[in-house]
Amino acid sequence: QSALTQPASVSGSPGQSITISCTGTSSDVGGYNYVSWYQQHPGKAPKFMIYDVSYRPSGVSNRFSGSKSGNTASLTISGLQAEDEADYYCSSYTTSSPVVFGGGTKLTVL
Amino acid sequence: EVQLVESGGDLVQPGGSLRLSCAASGFTFSNYWMSWVRQAPGKGLEWVANIKQDGSEKYYVDSVKGRFTISRDNAKNSLYLQMSSLRPEDTAVYYCARRLPASRQWYFDLWGRGTLVTVSS
Repeated sequence: QSALTQPASVSGSPGQSITISCTGTSSDVGGYNYVSWYQQHPGKAPKFMIYDVSYRPSGVSNRFSGSKSGNTASLTISGLQAEDEADYYCSSYTTSSPVVFGGGTKLTVL
Repeated sequence: EVQLVESGGDLVQPGGSLRLSCAASGFTFSNYWMSWVRQAPGKGLEWVANIKQDGSEKYYVDSVKGRFTISRDNAKNSLYLQMSSLRPEDTAVYYCARRLPASRQWYFDLWGRGTLVTVSS
């Protein structure tokens, strides 16, 4: 069982917005602004999408945004596109390990 | 092209050993902390080990301490993971990942596609 909890799946139609949650504790997500998100298409390498809760690395579309409230971080994808269909993983600094990941969320674009 | 390519994954019996490799290209390998991250079938990602640019610092998840050894050869632009006393629960896709530079946190800005390790009799 992963330390950070994500929904197994979410779905949305093209053009819509969806949000993926990532719930931890005060020892990780809630205690620090060190949350990141990764996108992974089947058989591909994970791609770095968000860091420090809400910052996008160069080259990442501004349709992707991150936020946090309490022990839950969120990734929002606006203007959903077919190529956004992928698995998404959150990660956070934690007091017990350099980094802890979520179990992943499968996004389906209907 | 900036990339990481893992190799060495295989089917191995419990108690056996295996050495994974990761070839880096397109960037100055010696400037970066590097890591191994794994993903068991149907599970999330799990950090395994980190190594500093010059190899002087290494860190491991508790479940692999004493069994796995991370190393690197900067002259060959390569990262390694020597795995011994393998257990069925080590079955996973193993990813090589580069740490985001100039960050105090463990963000991975470049990943390979992974190599599959299966531990089974």
